[in-house]
Amino acid sequence: GEDVEQSLFLSVREGDSSVINCTYTDSSSTYLYWYKQEPGAGLQLLTYIFSNMDMKQDQRLTVLLNKKDKHLSLRIADTQTGDSAIYFCAVSKSNTGKLIFGQGTTLQVKP
Amino acid sequence: KAGVTQTPRYLIKTRGQQVTLSCSPISGHRSVSWYQQTPGQGLQFLFEYFSETQRNKGNFPGRFSGRQFSNSRSEMNVSTLELGDSALYLCASSLDRGQETQYFGPGTRLLVL
Repeated sequence: GEDVEQSLFLSVREGDSSVINCTYTDSSSTYLYWYKQEPGAGLQLLTYIFSNMDMKQDQRLTVLLNKKDKHLSLRIADTQTGDSAIYFCAVSKSNTGKLIFGQGTTLQVKP
Repeated sequence: KAGVTQTPRYLIKTRGQQVTLSCSPISGHRSVSWYQQTPGQGLQFLFEYFSETQRNKGNFPGRFSGRQFSNSRSEMNVSTLELGDSALYLCASSLDRGQETQYFGPGTRLLVL
């Protein structure tokens, strides 16, 4: 079946790098996403990667995909207090309109 | 370009009532998906509409239904509300079936008493 797993909590110091990890089970997943959710808000799309890519960089964000291990990671460089939020990993298959989400990782950034 | 909008933002209902939530996608987007977010179950897919047709459905009872209009706006309805239906209901839109990137609205927070 389809399953996405994330660790629940990560605490870092301001200025450090954060790495949030995600594993998934469905090898036919074609699109993989990272969303951010702040308290009381909806989901903000941060970045996404296609399954035929290994890495994508977007300003402070770096996504790494290891298809063999079905492992996705999000690195946030120079983490700021404004990055404190819940980060969700999600995967989808082409033409289903359906995202499968992990449980979310709460990122706490200490000043 | 305006983002995904959802109305109302907050709702309080009592058990047994029914509720209708509305979602307006980003202009030009034709696919609308709905999700339920609860502390216990996380984010779960409800259904997806494209060109006024339900294309995919999650594992929710028949009390949960939806529809899409010709202008791509979508509504979801929950009948005979239960306490467990209290949740944040999120709507997401994407350009079409081939473009999967989904953009989410702020959600409707439903409290069932």
